[in-house]
Order: sequence, then C-alpha cells, then structure tokens
Amino acid sequence: AQSVSQHNHHVILSEAASLELGCNYSYGGTVNLFWYVQYPGQHLQLLLKYFSGDPLVKGIKGFEAEFIKSKFSFNLRKPSVQWSDTAEYFCAVNAWGNFNKFYFGSGTKLNVKP
Amino acid sequence: KAGVTQTPRYLIKTRGQQVTLSCSPISGHRSVSWYQQTPGQGLQFLFEYFSETQRNKGNFPGRFSGRQFSNSRSEMNVSTLELGDSALYLCASSLASTSGVETQYFGPGTRLLVL
Repeated sequence: AQSVSQHNHHVILSEAASLELGCNYSYGGTVNLFWYVQYPGQHLQLLLKYFSGDPLVKGIKGFEAEFIKSKFSFNLRKPSVQWSDTAEYFCAVNAWGNFNKFYFGSGTKLNVKP
Repeated sequence: KAGVTQTPRYLIKTRGQQVTLSCSPISGHRSVSWYQQTPGQGLQFLFEYFSETQRNKGNFPGRFSGRQFSNSRSEMNVSTLELGDSALYLCASSLASTSGVETQYFGPGTRLLVL
C-alpha cells in the first residue's frame, strides 16, 4: 500500500523567511503528486501538481515543488513567506492508473509570524 | 462556476444511528470522491464514483457506502454509527476521464459528531 510522510507537523517562521516542507512517499511505480493548502476556515485548495515532465513545478502564490524520483520526494518551497501563508499544507500522491484515489500526508501546520 | 457543495454542513448523531451526507460536484464534473478527515488519521480515502459506478474503494468497513446519481451528485451513508466516525467528511470532484487522474476540487465538508 502507498503511504505519504510529512515529517514536519508544525512549522513556525517569521515573515520573509524561506520555507521548505518535506514530503516522501512509498510507491515504486509512476505517481502523480500534489500539494494542497487549507487556510483557516476554508476548504482544501490545490497549490500545485506534478504529472510528468519538468520535475520542478510552480504553483500559485509563489510556491514551487521539486520531484526527486530517486528520493521518492516532492518537497514544497517558497523563498519568502508571508503572514497570509499561515495554513495547513497537505502532500498527496496518486498512483498512475488508480484514477482519483489519493493518499494524503498527515499535513504540516505553518504559522507565519508577522 | 459554483464550487463543490456539501450538505448538511454540521450533524450530530448518536451511536447506532445512520447518516446520509450529500455532495453536488462542480457542473460538468463526473467523478466524485469521498474522504474522512480526523486529527489523528488525517485525510483517508473512502471511495470514488464515476458514471454512477464505484471505481475505487479505500479500507473502510462496509458500514460506509455511497452512490452516485445520473446527474453526478453523490451521497455517502454510514450505518450503525460509532464514536470513532466523528470526523470531517470531504467530497471532491473532478472532470475525470476513463483513463487518467485529474485535479480534484474539494468541498467545505460535513462535520459529523457522534455522541
């Protein structure tokens, strides 16, 4: 069975600091990868996705993620966080051929201090 | 376009009862997936429906069931409720093809409390 690990459960940063959230998955086949964000009081929104091609993908609000196949990782990055980035971030993996069956990580709560 | 809508938004039930949750996907979306979100387990996949057929299933007991109607609306039913079923139930829809995966759009969820 697939699993997704997000090792940082809670991250606290000051504004303008750089962000990197880890995501590792366990599955040997072809995968589709996603990062979702849940702002306080709002529902899950897609931040970015990787299906194929350039392993460095750019999403909304200045976020990017890099797929490193050899490390089974899909880490999320942002060079300079803002207070409005305070949210919970979820990594999700879908095995190719599994249609819309997604495995989610446990989430990372990001708190950005103004 | 209107987003994914879920009703009701909040529910309180007692152990042993059953509950039905409803999800209306984004117009034109044919796939509906259901997830259970709890603080301890995170988001866990329940099942996916496409063209009124269950296409994928997670590892939940048979008390959890669902269906999809011809207009793509979906319902999820939980019978014989247990305290551990207290959770946020999320619905997600996607355009869906017969072969691939596409971006899922999530609804606000139904928060179920079992007493």
